[in-house]
Amino acid sequence: QVQLVQSGAEVTKPGASVKVSCKTSGYAFTRYMIHWVRQAPGQRPEWMGWVDTRNGNTEYSQEFQGRVTITRDTSASTAYMQLSSLRSEDTAVYFCARDWSFGWFFDYWGQGTLITVSS
Amino acid sequence: EVVMTQSPVTLSVSPGERATLSCRASQSVNSKVAWYQQRPGQSPRLLIYGASTRATGIPDRFSGSGSGTDFTLTISTLQSEDFAVYFCQQYNNWSWTFGQGTKVDIK
Repeated sequence: QVQLVQSGAEVTKPGASVKVSCKTSGYAFTRYMIHWVRQAPGQRPEWMGWVDTRNGNTEYSQEFQGRVTITRDTSASTAYMQLSSLRSEDTAVYFCARDWSFGWFFDYWGQGTLITVSS
Repeated sequence: EVVMTQSPVTLSVSPGERATLSCRASQSVNSKVAWYQQRPGQSPRLLIYGASTRATGIPDRFSGSGSGTDFTLTISTLQSEDFAVYFCQQYNNWSWTFGQGTKVDIK
């Protein structure tokens, strides 16, 4: 069965960087894009960016441009999201999600990774 | 950016009753709307895509309708496991935005 399993929760300080992994299984990794979405407490989900797993091409939301980097390792069927220059407002649950095709809806989601930014 | 606005924010419904949730887009998104259910502490679960197509394994008490800017999710007979938050999402033209959610709680 399709699974996306993310790395564990982290507590980090303002100004630091964090890197979250999303290990996939149960399907051909390079046939589907992976998106990253974050959700602050009590807020709507917010799209951050995607990676084309075939070639590593990426696109990022303007909101995170310059601070986010999404990569993938095809040999490990894993996608990564790194967010830098963290501030307290970045405290949220970060999800990876599989795109049903290319540029469509999200049919499978990771379990989420809580990132807490606190001094 | 396409803004998705859901109403109501909270919907109180008794088990066995019908729930109707609305979602409006700030501009036309054709039929590129999905609905997700999110229970506390869980990730979103896909219910509906293409405005009206149920995802695999989703019970037929869930139905979606609409096109352009106005969309509806209907839960025909609420079960205990349906009390959750529901989000709409547009995925038109390589952009993705979500509504603020409707919480369906027990009346």
